[in-house]
Amino acid sequence: DAGVIQSPRHEVTEMGQEVTLRCKPISGHNSLFWYRQTMMRGLELLIYFNNNVPIDDSGMPEDRFSAKMPNASFSTLKIQPSEPRDSAVYFCASTPRAGGLLLHEQYFGPGTRLTVT
Amino acid sequence: EDQVTQSPEALRLQEGESSSLNCSYTVSGLRGLFWYRQDPGKGPEFLFTLYSAGEEKEKERLKATLTKKESFLHITAPKPEDSATYLCAVQAGFRGGSQGNLIFGKGTKLSVKP
Repeated sequence: DAGVIQSPRHEVTEMGQEVTLRCKPISGHNSLFWYRQTMMRGLELLIYFNNNVPIDDSGMPEDRFSAKMPNASFSTLKIQPSEPRDSAVYFCASTPRAGGLLLHEQYFGPGTRLTVT
Repeated sequence: EDQVTQSPEALRLQEGESSSLNCSYTVSGLRGLFWYRQDPGKGPEFLFTLYSAGEEKEKERLKATLTKKESFLHITAPKPEDSATYLCAVQAGFRGGSQGNLIFGKGTKLSVKP
């Protein structure tokens, strides 16, 4: 299995531009998570989907951030307009959901390093 | 407020020098505690899940234990390839609309010198 795939791996953009990050989860996994990692705040959950439906987006910092999962094999995280404080590494993770409410181990992608100048 | 605190922030060991990493937590109803390893430039890699106090899990030179307030990751006779950042995360009980998502600590950066 190729694991979780994220693109691009690196993104440098200017303040005010739109940024779109992409994620392909592991086949058969039906829960998908978007995280942001910074030195100051560590790893923070932004939003998660179950069966393509957003379940909890309470971690999304503000309206400039949006996420979609149009099908089981693809998700996007969009920032519009981007700001320098959005600079971070963004991770996507997926997990099989075997039922119930316990979280199972999550498999992380390699991340997208975003720099907003 | 749910919190996860890891200590020390950084740990330098000589090869073969055993030690422990600490993860202390305050959460409303722990449902699970997770340990991950993260290498530079990569995503976290799952190591263990612990669900109840007294539970222990082992993998090669690593052993994770859990009490009602903290978890330890014991590293026995470490090797340079064990160098990485080790992250602890907890799943708290559900409240309101939350599904009890994972709350991560900031990690312990381990360096093992030959």
